[in-house]
Amino acid sequence: SQQGEEDPQALSIQEGENATMNCSYKTSINNLQWYRQNSGRGLVHLILIRSNEREKHSGRLRVTLDTSKKSSSLLITASRAADTASYFCAKGGGSNYKLTFGKGTLLTVNP
Amino acid sequence: DVKVTQSSRYLVKRTGEKVFLECVQDMDHENMFWYRQDPGLGLRLIYFSYDVKMKEKGDIPEGYSVSREKKERFSLILESASTNQTSMYLCASSFQSNEQFFGPGTRLTVL
Repeated sequence: SQQGEEDPQALSIQEGENATMNCSYKTSINNLQWYRQNSGRGLVHLILIRSNEREKHSGRLRVTLDTSKKSSSLLITASRAADTASYFCAKGGGSNYKLTFGKGTLLTVNP
Repeated sequence: DVKVTQSSRYLVKRTGEKVFLECVQDMDHENMFWYRQDPGLGLRLIYFSYDVKMKEKGDIPEGYSVSREKKERFSLILESASTNQTSMYLCASSFQSNEQFFGPGTRLTVL
């Protein structure tokens, strides 16, 4: 079954606004990762947060993790048209280095 | 710059053909993965490999096989292509449980 389900499925905002995407999962994790995919391309890793961390920043990205609620959020501040992409969360767990991806959030940033 | 390359960006094959998708990484990563991505279904893991000649089934291995004879190369094989294998195929590699690096993807159409 799918782990790491993103919400919302699609999000449309204006340039300069903040975008928040959420991810829920069902079982315990070692880490949770966020990836971006531009249309028709491969995925690019954005940020990794470990299960013992609560918040992490990278540039305009802020990720939070609440293990009690089994959820994570990705905040993109001051969005740009170039941020238009699909965003996926991926749950990492166990010893076999697999990731389980959600179905993604399609973010559209309008100029 | 780290790199994962895939042999073709676009591929068109006929039903029943044997199809080889090749993936090469230059990062000396132990782990390599094959996913397929379909609209509304997100990324689903087909097979992964954590060492040369080692492989494990992912979530949807039926109709596929893999080969890893050298550390840098991981091949996905469709023994007898079918129309329901029309999809985007993504290869990735990783070191331990860290981020996965993705190739650009191969869009396969089976007629």
